Amino acid sequence: KAGVTQTPRYLIKTRGQQVTLSCSPISGHRSVSWYQQTPGQGLQFLFEYFSETQRNKGNFPGRFSGRQFSNSRSEMNVSTLELGDSALYLCASSVFVPNTEAFFGQGTRLTVV
Amino acid sequence: GQQVMQIPQYQHVQEGEDFTTYCNSSTTLSNIQWYKQRPGGHPVFLIQLVKSGEVKKQKRLTFQFGEAKKNSSLHITATQTTDVGTYFCAGGGGIQGAQKLVFGQGTRLTINP
Repeated sequence: KAGVTQTPRYLIKTRGQQVTLSCSPISGHRSVSWYQQTPGQGLQFLFEYFSETQRNKGNFPGRFSGRQFSNSRSEMNVSTLELGDSALYLCASSVFVPNTEAFFGQGTRLTVV
Repeated sequence: GQQVMQIPQYQHVQEGEDFTTYCNSSTTLSNIQWYKQRPGGHPVFLIQLVKSGEVKKQKRLTFQFGEAKKNSSLHITATQTTDVGTYFCAGGGGIQGAQKLVFGQGTRLTINP
C-alpha cells in the first residue's frame, strides 16, 4: 500500500509570493490534516479536511488555506509569504478522523527568502 | 484551547540507560498517541492508548495513560542507538475534538554509544 505522498519535497520562495503544496493520502483514507513543523514551535495543527469539507482549523492567519478534492487529495496554499513561514509542512491522512492513527507524509520543506 | 505539554525537551543518555518522557494535557483526552520522528524524517505512529490507566508494551518501550486521562508517559528500557529521535505525544479530544490531534513539543533523545 503506497504511503502519503507530498509534493514538492523542497521549495524556495521569495517573500510576498504564494505557494501551493500537495498531499495524496493513503488509498481509502478520507481525512487529511496539515501541520506546520518548526524547531521552536513543534507540530502546529493547520486544518483538517474530510469529504472535501474543512472540519477543523488551527490558529493560523487567513493567508493559510486549503482544500480537498473528491479523490481525497488535498492542497494547501500560503499567500503573501513571510520569512516566518519557513518550515516543514506535513500532511497526515487517517481513515475517518485524526483521532486515530495518523500516517504522515515526508513533508515539504519550504524556505522563504 | 487544549494544550499538551511534554517534558523534557531534550534528553541525552548513555547507550543502555533508561529514558522517560512525560506528557500532560490541560483537558481530559479521549485517547493519546505517541509518534517517533527520526532526524530528517517524518513522524511515525507508535501506539494509541484509550483506556484510563492503560499500560502497553512494545519490546523495550512502555506506554502509560493516566487514570484521569490527562497525562501519559513513554519509558524506554536500556536505550539503543536506534532509539535516537524525537518522541511526540498527541492528544485526541472528545467527539468535538476528533478532527485534530494536539501535539506536545516533543522530547529529542540523543544517545552516546
